[in-house]
Amino acid sequence: DAGVTQSPTHLIKTRGQQVTLRCSPKSGHDTVSWYQQALGQGPQFIFQYYEEEERQRGNFPDRFSGHQFPNYSSELNVNALLLGDSALYLCASSLEDREMGTGELFFGEGSRLTVL
Amino acid sequence: AQKVTQAQTEISVVEKEDVTLDCVYETRDTTYYLFWYKQPPSGELVFLIRRNSFDEQNEISGRYSWNFQKSTSSFNFTITASQVVDSAVYFCALSENLPGTYKYIFGTGTRLKVLA
Repeated sequence: DAGVTQSPTHLIKTRGQQVTLRCSPKSGHDTVSWYQQALGQGPQFIFQYYEEEERQRGNFPDRFSGHQFPNYSSELNVNALLLGDSALYLCASSLEDREMGTGELFFGEGSRLTVL
Repeated sequence: AQKVTQAQTEISVVEKEDVTLDCVYETRDTTYYLFWYKQPPSGELVFLIRRNSFDEQNEISGRYSWNFQKSTSSFNFTITASQVVDSAVYFCALSENLPGTYKYIFGTGTRLKVLA
């Protein structure tokens, strides 16, 4: 049973460029969340996708956008990269939970982005 | 406002010692969920436990145990007879059960080093 897979694992970009990160959820999961983890910090919520719609967004600028496809996979796009965007970007999948809204999150190993 | 505080930035213990990782949370919601995740060097966050706000029973799973106390808003994690493989960063997280709320709020993590 494949877990959450993310690509690429590492990438280096320069300021002003754009980046696309990809995520395949755990088999059977229908919800994808994206988190940004700066060095030495805890993950910060970017947004969550369910039924191909963004249903909650964290405190991130519009430069951060996403998409969920019919097969539940997802992309995170960041435009006009800044040095401060350097971080580990974690994708997490879950199964919609009627009781708690978001079920337990299962994380991928992340995409480490370095902006020079 | 919701918040998770892990005051211990880094803890070092010698193998076979017991160690407790502290977690204090803030929320105005009466129904919420608390989690612990382990992050090894690979980057992936590994789910350890979920506890809902109505269940204050302590839980034990092998060498791991969790103490949830609503009166002090704490959800502490103890590893008994620590092993080198326990070395990782541990995160405590909070998820509120409010309409339209799906994000997890993470603490800043505690880095545990278990020395042989």
